[in-house]
Amino acid sequence: DIQMTQSPSSVSASVGDRVTMTCRASQGISSWLAWYQQKPGKAPKLLMSAASNLESGVPARFTGSGSGTEFTLTISSLQPEDFATYYCQQANGFPPTFGGGTKVEI
Amino acid sequence: QVQLQESGPGLVKPSETLSLTCSVSGASVSQYYWSWIRQTPGKGLEWIGHVYASGSTNYNPSLKRRLTISLDMSKNHLSLRLSSVTAADTAVYYCANSFGGLDAFHVWGPGTMVTVSS
Repeated sequence: DIQMTQSPSSVSASVGDRVTMTCRASQGISSWLAWYQQKPGKAPKLLMSAASNLESGVPARFTGSGSGTEFTLTISSLQPEDFATYYCQQANGFPPTFGGGTKVEI
Repeated sequence: QVQLQESGPGLVKPSETLSLTCSVSGASVSQYYWSWIRQTPGKGLEWIGHVYASGSTNYNPSLKRRLTISLDMSKNHLSLRLSSVTAADTAVYYCANSFGGLDAFHVWGPGTMVTVSS
């Protein structure tokens, strides 16, 4: 299985901060990477696929980049509704696998 | 828009079979790939397997020997059966759809908590 490692596991930030998190794959996955946002008690919500393609309705303050084995998700100006846990997922090989998450907290 | 809703027993005894259903509205199960994904505090998010309209399936090798995922076109839902469960199968179970066999998961159900305990 392709292992996905996210860092940091948690980050403390304030409204208006720029936040960047990293996802690393144990082998090259081209751009076959998705990012999700999950709030407590809710299902994950797809933010972007193919490393940088924003889903409809997702604010432009979320940007994704990277290819191969290293990817980043950046929130340019943190809003109160962005406090959540973020997961990456590779879609390059079976089984699809997820990272352990980065929790963005106040 | 596509909406998913998982249902099934919240408590299953060890060694028994866990059975869940995911009801689909806003789309036909003959479209898309339909996956089951589970989440535990310890192992995080784990893809269980998927089924496509043709009935073809792909399972996580770690669960394959205990797993059956199927579609019911007449009821527009998908089902999960996981046999010989143990406490390690205690999790929140989600259904989700994707456009391809290996793809992002676009729409998720709210999830259902299943506890394995005697």
